[in-house]
Amino acid sequence: GQQVMQIPQYQHVQEGEDFTTYCNSSTTLSNIQWYKQRPGGHPVFLIQLVKSGEVKKQKRLTFQFGEAKKNSSLHITATQTTDVGTYFCAVRFSGYALNFGKGTSLLVTP
Amino acid sequence: GAVVSQHPSWVICKSGTSVKIECRSLDFQATTMFWYRQFPKQSLMLMATSNEGSKATYEQGVEKDKFLINHASLTLSTLTVTSAHPEDSSFYICSASTAAGGLYEQYFGPGTRLTVT
Repeated sequence: GQQVMQIPQYQHVQEGEDFTTYCNSSTTLSNIQWYKQRPGGHPVFLIQLVKSGEVKKQKRLTFQFGEAKKNSSLHITATQTTDVGTYFCAVRFSGYALNFGKGTSLLVTP
Repeated sequence: GAVVSQHPSWVICKSGTSVKIECRSLDFQATTMFWYRQFPKQSLMLMATSNEGSKATYEQGVEKDKFLINHASLTLSTLTVTSAHPEDSSFYICSASTAAGGLYEQYFGPGTRLTVT
């Protein structure tokens, strides 16, 4: 079935380094959402991207939606230990249900 | 923002027993609720979609007779794991959707950690 591919699976950075996770789809997406899940917690909605080429920023986080609406990225500038967690992209291929990428687990060491 | 609660937050049960998990939308009416399962270090896997007053739609590979979903009102959905086995041990997360602005915002509950011994 349809799915969204997310890479990398894991990323270990030193505090202060940048971090990027990518999601790719073989089909054009109507929108894409990003979630963060802290260890032991539940997914928390970060943002939704809808428009082709859209770029949104939330403090140190920058979200991009590709021009063809088939890929998206989340970039964190100057990571902090509070950024630790797993970042998921999620899309709707049909209906209302979200299909999640496999997630990128970020570990930040001080 | 919209709040979704789940109860219980964790439960331990013996193999062969049944467990009911409740999902409530506290400050909005949810047209649709979703149930996900997440195994350790894995992604969320959609189990089923339920609309108030109708039968749930299960994803391929999810046994509807084992995972009973009841969506009795616009604020409450329940998932019952019947005859639970150790392999059913997982993190179960519900989410509720409302057509806010046509973008179908989805709000997640805090999850229920089920351990079957």
